[in-house]
Amino acid sequence: GQSLEQPSEVTAVEGAIVQINCTYQTSGFYGLSWYQQHDGGAPTFLSYNALDGLEETGRFSSFLSRSDSYGYLLLQELQMKDSASYFCAVGSNTGKLIFGQGTTLQVKP
Amino acid sequence: DVKVTQSSRYLVKRTGEKVFLECVQDMDHENMFWYRQDPGLGLRLIYFSYDVKMKEKGDIPEGYSVSREKKERFSLILESASTNQTSMYLCASIPGGNTGELFFGEGSRLTVL
Repeated sequence: GQSLEQPSEVTAVEGAIVQINCTYQTSGFYGLSWYQQHDGGAPTFLSYNALDGLEETGRFSSFLSRSDSYGYLLLQELQMKDSASYFCAVGSNTGKLIFGQGTTLQVKP
Repeated sequence: DVKVTQSSRYLVKRTGEKVFLECVQDMDHENMFWYRQDPGLGLRLIYFSYDVKMKEKGDIPEGYSVSREKKERFSLILESASTNQTSMYLCASIPGGNTGELFFGEGSRLTVL
């Protein structure tokens, strides 16, 4: 089957850098993606890694190591509006897309 | 603009009622998904569909069924609602062969009394 693990909570201060890790188990791995969800809202897509390495999109970067079944989301220059839940998700060649349980990020002034 | 529309934002139903949750996407996407989201449990996959009339079970299909008669529409059915199905239900879609960006609807919050 498929499973993902990520920390349940992370706290950081404004302007800092935070890394949210995700380890996964899946067969037929296709890619790892990250989503942000604010309270009361739907998840919104942040980034996607199909190959090893770092993908950068503005203040957010995502990394994947397929050999380690591991990835992370890096958020730089944290802002108060970054307080939200962050989910990693893995896709497989069966078409399934499975999400982790989510990491609640609290950004403090 | 890309759009996934769920028919109801809030529903209140009674135990034993049949419940239909409708989802429509206007992006000609092949794949559509139904998730439920509960605090501390993340998003759990109920069913997904990769083509019209095709469906696959997710991780928690018990108590649910789905229908995909047209490419743009994916319906979730609770044959006999129970209180443990009180949850937020999220529909999403993605182009075929792609496991990157899922497009989500706004969600349907179902309360079963």
